[in-house]
Amino acid sequence: QQQVKQSPQSLIVQKGGIPIINCAYENTAFDYFPWYQQFPGKGPALLIAIRPDVSEKKEGRFTISFNKSAKQFSLHIMDSQPGDSATYFCAAITGGSYIPTFGRGTSLIVHP
Amino acid sequence: GAVVSQHPSWVICKSGTSVKIECRSLDFQATTMFWYRQFPKQSLMLMATSNEGSKATYEQGVEKDKFLINHASLTLSTLTVTSAHPEDSSFYICSASWGNEKLFFGSGTQLSVL
Repeated sequence: QQQVKQSPQSLIVQKGGIPIINCAYENTAFDYFPWYQQFPGKGPALLIAIRPDVSEKKEGRFTISFNKSAKQFSLHIMDSQPGDSATYFCAAITGGSYIPTFGRGTSLIVHP
Repeated sequence: GAVVSQHPSWVICKSGTSVKIECRSLDFQATTMFWYRQFPKQSLMLMATSNEGSKATYEQGVEKDKFLINHASLTLSTLTVTSAHPEDSSFYICSASWGNEKLFFGSGTQLSVL
């Protein structure tokens, strides 16, 4: 049973475009929602995270939008660059467990 | 962010041999470390959770006698793949937590068993 559903599976945009990756969850006990970026042959790196008491968080060109009532959250990458080409994973964590439930990942390609 | 060092980056071994992978938290004390396995173009699959000084907790379906985890200190955890076989070939990743939701991942180890 997939507790965090991520879409799309793959995404191709032109440089400067704004790719959007969506995630949805069912478990209302989740209270921390991180996004990870993974380059080929490397481990994931924490990109940005949000808690359900805010609807949006922005760090540089990366923005998380969070809709608590819909149990959905999304990652927006502003002014995307070829260097942003990577696989992005959303995750959800229940308070106190520290064990993330990962989405299936989105492979992003940004063309020059 | 905090640094988690994982070694080796890649290893090739013969079937039947054992391989040890190290995971170190370099600038913080990790209360909990996690080991993941990742197949190509797939998500991370949690194998086990380990706390310093106690036995690891394995996820359902993970053979604890095959994948030995030792968390001897607050900065070091090791995963030993015993009697490795070709089906154990995979990308193994560790992560560490200092007691909150922020996880820091190692760079991963690509294991190829011939």
